Amino acid sequence: DIQMTQSPSTLSASVGDRVTITCRASQSINNWLAWYQQKPGKAPKVLIYKASSLESGVPPRFSGSGSGTEFTLTISSLQPDDFATYYCQHYNSYLWTFGQGTKVEIK
Amino acid sequence: QLQLQESGPGLVKASETLSLTCTVSGDSISSNNYFWGWIRQPPGKGLEWIGSIYYSGSTFYSPSLRSRVTISVDTSENQFSLKLSAVTAADTAVYYCARHNDLLTGYYKGHQFGYWGQGTLVTVSS
Repeated sequence: DIQMTQSPSTLSASVGDRVTITCRASQSINNWLAWYQQKPGKAPKVLIYKASSLESGVPPRFSGSGSGTEFTLTISSLQPDDFATYYCQHYNSYLWTFGQGTKVEIK
Repeated sequence: QLQLQESGPGLVKASETLSLTCTVSGDSISSNNYFWGWIRQPPGKGLEWIGSIYYSGSTFYSPSLRSRVTISVDTSENQFSLKLSAVTAADTAVYYCARHNDLLTGYYKGHQFGYWGQGTLVTVSS
């Protein structure tokens, strides 16, 4: 099975910072990679799908990139509403796999 | 507007079977473009996909849970259900139901979980 490893586990940042979260696959994967934002007590919300496509209604400060084994989620200018936990998720051969999450905290 | 709502007991005894139902409104569960899935999240931990079902009854399960999981669909009630047998404290989690694209639709639109229920906490007691 393909393992998805996110880094860092926790990230401390300030409003206005550029933030990058990485998701690494244990082997080269296609672009079936999605990113989610989750706030406490709420269900996750899709931000990015197919590695780099922005979900409808998501602010353009969120972007996704990558290929092969390394993918990134970038927040170009962190806003107060962006402090949350972020997950990557991959699909391959009838298996849907999540990364372990990255918590973005206020510095 | 699509809505998913989980329902079921919030407390289950160890070694018994956890049973949850997801009621779908705003779309037919018989739509041939989507899978319907279950994901769980232990308190303070990450997300784990449990399994998914197509309206026809085809199922896909996480290898780590396959021996204990059954997902079924009731198209007449627009619902799908989860049964997890022989539960232990490690199965204590918030359980979410969600919709995601089937394989053909996902090839073009991605394999993300686009719509989620609000989640329901299930605690396994000893």
